[in-house]
Amino acid sequence: DAGVIQSPRHEVTEMGQEVTLRCKPISGHNSLFWYRQTMMRGLELLIYFNNNVPIDDSGMPEDRFSAKMPNASFSTLKIQPSEPRDSAVYFCASSLGSGIRNQPQHFGDGTRLSIL
Amino acid sequence: DAKTTQPPSMDCAEGRAANLPCNHSTISGNEYVYWYRQIHSQGPQYIIHGLKNNETNEMASLIITEDRKSSTLILPHATLRDTAVYYCIVRAQSGGGADGLTFGKGTHLIIQP
Repeated sequence: DAGVIQSPRHEVTEMGQEVTLRCKPISGHNSLFWYRQTMMRGLELLIYFNNNVPIDDSGMPEDRFSAKMPNASFSTLKIQPSEPRDSAVYFCASSLGSGIRNQPQHFGDGTRLSIL
Repeated sequence: DAKTTQPPSMDCAEGRAANLPCNHSTISGNEYVYWYRQIHSQGPQYIIHGLKNNETNEMASLIITEDRKSSTLILPHATLRDTAVYYCIVRAQSGGGADGLTFGKGTHLIIQP
């Protein structure tokens, strides 16, 4: 079975540029999560969706970050404009979520983002 | 969700059982204990979860004390590939859909050859 698929795996860009990270959740999963991992702060939840609807975006650092889920099989996380402090590994995860909080989350292998 | 406390690091010899402790003294009755691990350069991987009974699957066993204030994850025959950071997470189950996980610093388990 295909797991959560993220692209690109690595992204290096200059500050000020727009960055778009992509995620394809596991087929049939209706909850999707975006996390960020840095050495200083560890793994942090940025935003999550249930049935394509954003539920909690309180972890999104600032207005430069935005996330969308246009359909059940695709989500994007966009940073515009990017800054060096956005450098991190960004993970996407999915789960069967409707009313069932104890379903495990399945993570992708992440996108390693470097902003120069 | 209740807070958890884990040792920052542990060593274990290859082939031995690895026992990873977790304290969650403020856990409430409807909160589950979850374990995830993160191997270097990979995303976190779900291992096991439980409420109050001991649980076992193909990866590990989870032992929860009777008062539920602590638990132990057991990898019965550790291999070098089990070297990873292991996260113990406590979260409530309630209706209304899924929500995100709160990761602490975890335990860095190093399996020694």
